Amino acid sequence: QSVLTQPPSVSAAPGQKVTISCSGSSSNIGNNYVSWYQQFPGTAPKLLIYDNNKRPSGIPDRFSGSKSGTSATLGITGLQTGDEADYYCATWDSSLSAWVFGGGTKLTVL
Amino acid sequence: QVQLVQSGAEVKKPGASVKVSCEASGYTFTSHGISWVRQAPGQGLEWMGWISGYNGDTNYAQKLQGRVTMTTDTSTSTAYMEVRSLRSDDTAVYYCARVTQYLGTSRFDYWGQGTLVTVSS
Repeated sequence: QSVLTQPPSVSAAPGQKVTISCSGSSSNIGNNYVSWYQQFPGTAPKLLIYDNNKRPSGIPDRFSGSKSGTSATLGITGLQTGDEADYYCATWDSSLSAWVFGGGTKLTVL
Repeated sequence: QVQLVQSGAEVKKPGASVKVSCEASGYTFTSHGISWVRQAPGQGLEWMGWISGYNGDTNYAQKLQGRVTMTTDTSTSTAYMEVRSLRSDDTAVYYCARVTQYLGTSRFDYWGQGTLVTVSS
């Protein structure tokens, strides 16, 4: 059971927009920055969003992040079939003194 | 460019130990920490711990306390992660990740390619 809660799967059509939620508590998301990672099957995760809403160099602006209270959201616009992957949220948990990940969300672009 | 290159796949028997290496290049090793994250087959990501590239300070996940040791060799810019008393549920792909942190925030900005550790009798 993950400390951060994500929906197991989301889907949308090419060109559409999708959002992936990540729910936590005051000891993690509520008081710490959130990052998001994209993982294709058989490959290492890749940093997609950090500090709640910042994009590393090379990440297109179709990807966005936001945080409100104890929840965070990843948004992807202009969906492409190449966006099909697993997405994970992560943050520091001050009570556990540990990094925690969401359980991951599988994105299907129909 | 930043690269983290990990050692190859391992097959171990229950009760044995495994040590995975992660050689860093393209940045100043002592300016960043390294975290280890594992992923069991078909499962999500699990943070295992962190080691400072500067002074070797460590912080281990409570679940693994007493069975895991993380070390670094600054002369070769290499981080190591050892798990002892292996069990079947330690079967996973193990990743090292560079940690960039400043002003109260941190992130895993570069990842190794992963090392599959299989524990089987």
